[in-house]
Amino acid sequence: AQKVTQAQTEISVVEKEDVTLDCVYETRDTTYYLFWYKQPPSGELVFPIRRNSFDEQNEISGRYSWNFQKSTSSFNFTITASQVVDSAVYFCALSELDNFNKFYFGSGTKLNVKP
Amino acid sequence: DAGVIQSPRHEVTEMGQEVTLRCKPISGHNSLFWYRQTMMRGLELLIYFNNNVPIDDSGMPEDRFSAKMPNASFSTLKIQPSEPRDSAVYFCASTKNYGYTFGSGTRLTVV
Repeated sequence: AQKVTQAQTEISVVEKEDVTLDCVYETRDTTYYLFWYKQPPSGELVFPIRRNSFDEQNEISGRYSWNFQKSTSSFNFTITASQVVDSAVYFCALSELDNFNKFYFGSGTKLNVKP
Repeated sequence: DAGVIQSPRHEVTEMGQEVTLRCKPISGHNSLFWYRQTMMRGLELLIYFNNNVPIDDSGMPEDRFSAKMPNASFSTLKIQPSEPRDSAVYFCASTKNYGYTFGSGTRLTVV
């Protein structure tokens, strides 16, 4: 069965600290996408801040980096030099390519970045 | 592109009343999803459509919930009769290939 687990319910860091959000997934599919969604305090769900196909490796975009490890079924998200504006709830999600793009969301990790 | 449009943004209703939430997906997107977000359960998939056809409604909590997609540009989620435990944020999302685009959500409060 497909499942996404975000074990960290809430994380608090001080501005400029690095922080890693963990995501572990389960799927029987051989082709799938993984996403991180950001939900700022305003409540809206922001279009994925990263997608990753099953055969991609790591990626860095500015202060954000994603570490995809197929061997451990993990897709972790790291924010370097965190900022207060990074405070949000972050959801990891798994998408099946063969099932009308049905998404499976993790329970979310609330990130608090304090000044 | 106006994005996924949901209305209303906020809805407060009394228990027992009928509530209708509306969604206009992005033009050209062929899949539409309704999610409910609560503190206790997080994001729950209620139902999704592909090419206006309901594919999976196993997430709809009760018969009080119903959803329709009469055409490619409009969908509704109806709750009748509403109950306080239905209070949540309801999100609509659409997609064409990969990656949802979410609407702004409807915050429903049933008192």
